[in-house]
Amino acid sequence: QVQLVESGGGVVQPGRSLRLSCAASGFTISNYGMHWVRQAPGKGLEWVAVIWYDGSNKYYADSVKGRFTVSRDISKNTVYLQMNSLRAEDTAVYYCARDPTYFYDSSGFFDFWGQGTLVTVSS
Amino acid sequence: EIVLTQSPATLSLSPGERATLSCKASQSVSSYLAWYQQKPGQAPRLLIYDASNRATGIPARFSGSGSGTDFTLTIRSLEPEDFAVYYCQQRSNWPPLTFGGGTKVEIK
Repeated sequence: QVQLVESGGGVVQPGRSLRLSCAASGFTISNYGMHWVRQAPGKGLEWVAVIWYDGSNKYYADSVKGRFTVSRDISKNTVYLQMNSLRAEDTAVYYCARDPTYFYDSSGFFDFWGQGTLVTVSS
Repeated sequence: EIVLTQSPATLSLSPGERATLSCKASQSVSSYLAWYQQKPGQAPRLLIYDASNRATGIPARFSGSGSGTDFTLTIRSLEPEDFAVYYCQQRSNWPPLTFGGGTKVEIK
């Protein structure tokens, strides 16, 4: 069955970096687009980034553009979110989520989600 | 960026009652709207995609309707496990993908 497991969250000081991982099982990430979505404590959902099924396209929310980078390792079936120059407003639970479209451009919604990993940016 | 406005913010209902949740878009999103359910401490779960298509395994008491700028999620008869927060999300014009602010369905 499809499973997504995020890791790498923690407490980090403003201006520092952190890399999140999303290990996928039950499917191959080279066949599906993968997204990152975050949720600040007590707040709603915010889309962060997507990497296309073939890695050809990556898109970001304006709030993270230039600071965050999405990547993947096909051999490990894992997607990453490299977060640099972290700010207090980046504090959130970060979810990875699968785009449902198989072997084509991402549809832009999410059929499976991981359990999330909490990132706290604080001095 | 397309802004989605959900109403009401909170809906207080009893089990067995009908829930009607609204999502309005700042511009037409055609039928490219999804609904998610989120329970405390859990990840969101896809309920409805493309306005009216139930996701795999979603009970028939959940239905979605609408197109353009006005959408509705209806829960025909609330079960105890349906009390949660519901989000709408558009994929018509992206990036960015955007979500509504959520509607909390609570037990009256």
